[in-house]
Amino acid sequence: SAVISQKPSRDICQRGTSLTIQCQVDSQVTMMFWYRQQPGQSLTLIATANQGSEATYESGFVIDKFPISRPNLTFSTLTVSNMSPEDSSIYLCSVEDRRTGGRNEQFFGPGTRLTVL
Amino acid sequence: AQSVTQLGSHVSVSEGALVLLRCNYSSSVPPYLFWYVQYPNQGLQLLLKYTSAATLVKGINGFEAEFKKSETSFHLTKPSAHMSDAAEYFCAVSFSGGYNKLIFGAGTRLAVHP
Repeated sequence: SAVISQKPSRDICQRGTSLTIQCQVDSQVTMMFWYRQQPGQSLTLIATANQGSEATYESGFVIDKFPISRPNLTFSTLTVSNMSPEDSSIYLCSVEDRRTGGRNEQFFGPGTRLTVL
Repeated sequence: AQSVTQLGSHVSVSEGALVLLRCNYSSSVPPYLFWYVQYPNQGLQLLLKYTSAATLVKGINGFEAEFKKSETSFHLTKPSAHMSDAAEYFCAVSFSGGYNKLIFGAGTRLAVHP
């Protein structure tokens, strides 16, 4: 399966600042996803990022707050903008790798644990 | 609308006992179903998946799950719990209609005690 890394693994930030999270995959994948996992909660999809097109955001998430880049088939970034304590969560990226997984099967990165003071 | 319900946010079993984690789904189209495990401070690891082949699916670490269409269920089981199974387990559903979005259940935290 695809090997996914995220940077940073964790960070503590001040409110009003922004943080960019990087997701790197060891193989070329078409579809990448960004999820948020609030403390003690399940995962919620923020957006789907396909190379060469604008990210598709889920209801409740907007591009101004969570801009996403997908410059190539192995890399994506998620920025959490103008942060508030409510943004404290784990942010995970995932990929659909049809070479080794089936359709709709996603592999996850280790996550970025963000704390906003 | 499609959804996933996991019954029981916390399950506690003794080491060596049967593990049963419940998952029910709601879908108007044939689903793909997944169980993921999340160990503390780690990402999600796929345990097993159902994609319309055999209804009894075997996964890693001795886990298996059975797809029951009549009950809209996909419960996860393991005959004998090990201390290392203590983790958070998530059931997720996707759909064969083409959009690859995963919808997750709320999760079940499994505790295994000696």
